[in-house]
Amino acid sequence: GEDVEQSLFLSVREGDSSVINCTYTDSSSTYLYWYKQEPGAGLQLLTYIFSNMDMKQDQRLTVLLNKKDKHLSLRIADTQTGDSAIYFCAEIRASNSGYALNFGKGTSLLVTP
Amino acid sequence: GAVVSQHPSWVICKSGTSVKIECRSLDFQATTMFWYRQFPKQSLMLMATSNEGSKATYEQGVEKDKFLINHASLTLSTLTVTSAHPEDSSFYICSAGGQVNSPLHFGNGTRLTVT
Repeated sequence: GEDVEQSLFLSVREGDSSVINCTYTDSSSTYLYWYKQEPGAGLQLLTYIFSNMDMKQDQRLTVLLNKKDKHLSLRIADTQTGDSAIYFCAEIRASNSGYALNFGKGTSLLVTP
Repeated sequence: GAVVSQHPSWVICKSGTSVKIECRSLDFQATTMFWYRQFPKQSLMLMATSNEGSKATYEQGVEKDKFLINHASLTLSTLTVTSAHPEDSSFYICSAGGQVNSPLHFGNGTRLTVT
């Protein structure tokens, strides 16, 4: 099947903004998600955007959605060292049971002092 | 926010034994639970979907006799890795949702090591 694509690695300095990009595959996905995974931990839902929205802002997080290009981005303002983690974007995709989340391979964000 | 609890966090077992992993939704009723597997530096691979009170639906390539899933109540699903082998060593993560298209919440995962 088609893959959700993300760049694998991003390094930024503390205080700068981070932008993580994602290209998804299923234009019928009602929601698109961003999850954060810290080492050895499960996934934490960061934010999500409904497909009829172009932008969603939640404190330091801004999600931009371009449905025409199937492009999703996550901007983290004033990035902190605690933001270092792997960030996954996910779409809703049909599965054998009906629906499930289909993930990209994740973007490792490294924030340096 | 919604909380999904997964237990145990890590387990080491001998080859040939079986291991049970529990996934509980703590503050909501999860009609559907999903089991994922994650290899190092890889994305999450959906293994199966369990619906309360019915048989689990497995994704292609996942052996249903090896990975037994039970979803006996609206708050608990279990994954049993039967006759475990070293190649089953992995990070298993469950997630739970209520309604279709509602955000899924994940447990903290179980690190399984089979020796």
